[in-house]
Order: sequence, then structure tokens, then C-alpha cells
Amino acid sequence: SQTIHQWPATLVQPVGSPLSLECTVEGTSNPNLYWYRQAAGRGLQLLFYSVGIGQISSEVPQNLSASRPQDRQFILSSKKLLLSDSGFYLCAWSRGGLYNEQFFGPGTRLTVL
Amino acid sequence: QKEVEQDPGPLSVPEGAIVSLNCTYSNSAFQYFMWYRQYSRKGPELLMYTYSSGNKEDGRFTAQVDKSSKYISLFIRDSQPSDSATYLCAMKSTGAGSYQLTFGKGTKLSVIP
Repeated sequence: SQTIHQWPATLVQPVGSPLSLECTVEGTSNPNLYWYRQAAGRGLQLLFYSVGIGQISSEVPQNLSASRPQDRQFILSSKKLLLSDSGFYLCAWSRGGLYNEQFFGPGTRLTVL
Repeated sequence: QKEVEQDPGPLSVPEGAIVSLNCTYSNSAFQYFMWYRQYSRKGPELLMYTYSSGNKEDGRFTAQVDKSSKYISLFIRDSQPSDSATYLCAMKSTGAGSYQLTFGKGTKLSVIP
């Protein structure tokens, strides 16, 4: 069966500090990978998705970036965090191709002070 | 008009009640529909996936889609305290390059013992 991991689970960072969140998927090959942010009262917002190694599509312009160095690894980064970057960050995967169901990880709660 | 509208609740029902959760949408390109359950501070869990008008049943859960009215519902029979969570509807359009899910903001459900 497939498993998705995210770490860290919780993170408190000062404004202007860098960020690196990691997501890995087990039990599948060539998945599509996604980063979402969930902010209070605003629902789930797709930030990035990737259909393969090194292939990243951005849905929302911002000071975040994503990378996919390996088939089942997806990383969300920032060089300098803003207060507005606080939120619950969720990684998700779907089967490669145009499969529609997406499966979410446990999330990282980020607080920027 | 938002693409997906979902009553945020909160919705409070007694144990054993039938629960009805609803979403409306405006984009006729949406062809795939999902319901997720999200417990507090956890990632969303896929409950139901459907792509055709009509009903789909899985245990105590029934997903209903009416594409002509752009309306989807999730029914929970014999509700249990463990069903207390936020329920998110999600939709996806068809077509190559279409990877994004559009989410409702979620309905918070409490089932009282």
C-alpha cells in the first residue's frame, strides 16, 4: 500500500528565515505530487504540482518554490519567510497520468513570527 | 461568484441522525467529484470519488451528484461521534493538463453522543 510522509509536523520560524519542508511517497512509482496550503477560512489552495522529476508547475505566484529531486520526493522551500506564509502545508500524490483522486499527507503546521 | 460554495456550518446533530452535506458549483467543466474528511490538525482523507450523475454508496456514506443543477451532496447514515470532522468537497475538470482540485471551504460537523 502507498504511504505519504511529511516533516516536520510543526515548525515555528522567524520572519526572514529560510524554509524547507519535505514530502516523500512510498509504495508507488511516477506519482504526480502536489503542495497545498490551507489557511483558516480560505480553504485549500494549490501551490505547486509536479508530474515528474525536475518538472514543477506553479499555480500561485509567491515567495515559495518547489523542487522534485527524486521520483517520490517533493520539497517546498523559501529563502525568506513572510508572516503571510503561516498556515498548514499539505503534500498530496495521485497516480501518474490523469487519475483524479489525490491522497494527502499528515501536513506541516508552519507559524511565522 | 466563487467556483465552489459550501456551507461552513458548524453543523451539530445527535448520534444516529442522517447528515446531509452539500456543495454547489458554477463551472460546468467540473466532471469529477470527491469528498474528503479532515480531522482537526490532520490531513484530508478521501472518502468518496464519483464522476457521473446519480448516487454512489459506500457503507454509511452516499455521494450524490446532479450535474444539471451543479449540486453535489454527501449523506451519512447512522452518524457516529467518530464522524465529527470537517468535510471538504473537491472538484476537478477534464482535459489534458488539468491537475488542480478546487475545494469548498469545508463544513464542520459535530455528532453529539
